[in-house]
Amino acid sequence: KQEVTQIPAALSVPEGENLVLNCSFTDSAIYNLQWFRQDPGKGLTSLLLIQSSQREQTSGRLNASLDKSSGRSTLYIAASQPGDSATYLCAVRPMDSNYQLIWGAGTKLIIKP
Amino acid sequence: GAVVSQHPSWVICKSGTSVKIECRSLDFQATTMFWYRQFPKQSLMLMATSNEGSKATYEQGVEKDKFLINHASLTLSTLTVTSAHPEDSSFYICSARVSPLWDTEAFFGQGTRLTVV
Repeated sequence: KQEVTQIPAALSVPEGENLVLNCSFTDSAIYNLQWFRQDPGKGLTSLLLIQSSQREQTSGRLNASLDKSSGRSTLYIAASQPGDSATYLCAVRPMDSNYQLIWGAGTKLIIKP
Repeated sequence: GAVVSQHPSWVICKSGTSVKIECRSLDFQATTMFWYRQFPKQSLMLMATSNEGSKATYEQGVEKDKFLINHASLTLSTLTVTSAHPEDSSFYICSARVSPLWDTEAFFGQGTRLTVV
């Protein structure tokens, strides 16, 4: 059974710092992995999607990597800003799923001005 | 990108009443929609998969008679929480796939915060 773990559960850093969020999954048979952002009491915004054949994806100050064999993904945020404060979720789509996603519990990120 | 609209964004209801949550794909046809539930500080958990024109497929442990899902059109799926109880208080969120023909991102609604008092 696929399980997704995100470490740390919470992170607080000063503005301007670069930071890394971690996501690990137990079964490497995935179709893709996505990183999402969730603001308090709101829905989800897809940040980056990495297909299983890809190693990384970049969007602006965000860079996500995927090491399928080791079951790990990282989300790198450069030059963090207070507006980056949110909960970041990673989710994998297992190969045998009907487009269902298995989710991590998230990392709550606070960027201090 | 594709837009999924979920309504209402929050609702407070009395125990024993029913609540309907709507999920609409605004600019695309969604053949499949997914309903998730998220308790505080926990992962999103898939409740059911809804395919247009057919019965929803529920995940293990989810009561299909309590959580009624209707996907009567390609742009609308509804989740009705029947005889709601305080333990049903949660954040409910839907997502939709653009097309069954190719793999795309999952697009999510804004979520509905349900509080049962």
